[in-house]
Amino acid sequence: AQSVTQLGSHVSVSEGALVLLRCNYSSSVPPYLFWYVQYPNQGLQLLLKYTTGATLVKGINGFEAEFKKSETSFHLTKPSAHMSDAAEYFCAVTVTGGGNKLTFGTGTQLKVEL
Amino acid sequence: NAGVMQNPRHLVRRRGQEARLRCSPMKGHSHVYWYRQLPEEGLKFMVYLQKENIIDESGMPKERFSAEFPKEGPSILRIQQVVRGDSAAYFCASSPRGGPTEAYGYTFGSGTRLTVV
Repeated sequence: AQSVTQLGSHVSVSEGALVLLRCNYSSSVPPYLFWYVQYPNQGLQLLLKYTTGATLVKGINGFEAEFKKSETSFHLTKPSAHMSDAAEYFCAVTVTGGGNKLTFGTGTQLKVEL
Repeated sequence: NAGVMQNPRHLVRRRGQEARLRCSPMKGHSHVYWYRQLPEEGLKFMVYLQKENIIDESGMPKERFSAEFPKEGPSILRIQQVVRGDSAAYFCASSPRGGPTEAYGYTFGSGTRLTVV
């Protein structure tokens, strides 16, 4: 079975600083990887996803992530944090034949400080 | 085009009561998925339904929980005889076909927050 591990349940950055949220996956077959964002009392919004092709994936709101098979990682980055980026971020994985269901990490709460 | 609609947004039930959570998928979406988010945890898959069919219920607790997606009307997640451990946020997602790897992926609703007192 596949899984994801998000390192750091809370990350704090200054406004304008680099955002780096870490995600490592475990899968015996090629994975499909996702990052979602959840604002308070709202549902999850897809930021970006890796299915096939280019390993550097660009998403909404200036976020991007790079699939690194050798490191089994899919870290999320943004060059310059904005106050509006404060939210909870979830990494998720699925595989072909995975029954259309996602396996989520435990989430990383991002705090952006002035 | 309205998104995935879940109601109620907040639900309080006493132990032993029944909870009914509703999910209206986006127009044109015939695939519905339910996930549960326990405090301090990520979302965990519960069940995947298509119209009038349960496709995968491998994440559903064996007792007290059931789900349906009738030909007409919303999908319903039903929890009988609720216990405190059922307190969580329950999210519904829908897709027109296939799953999250498709171009259109999932669309999540805003969730129902169940509190059992």
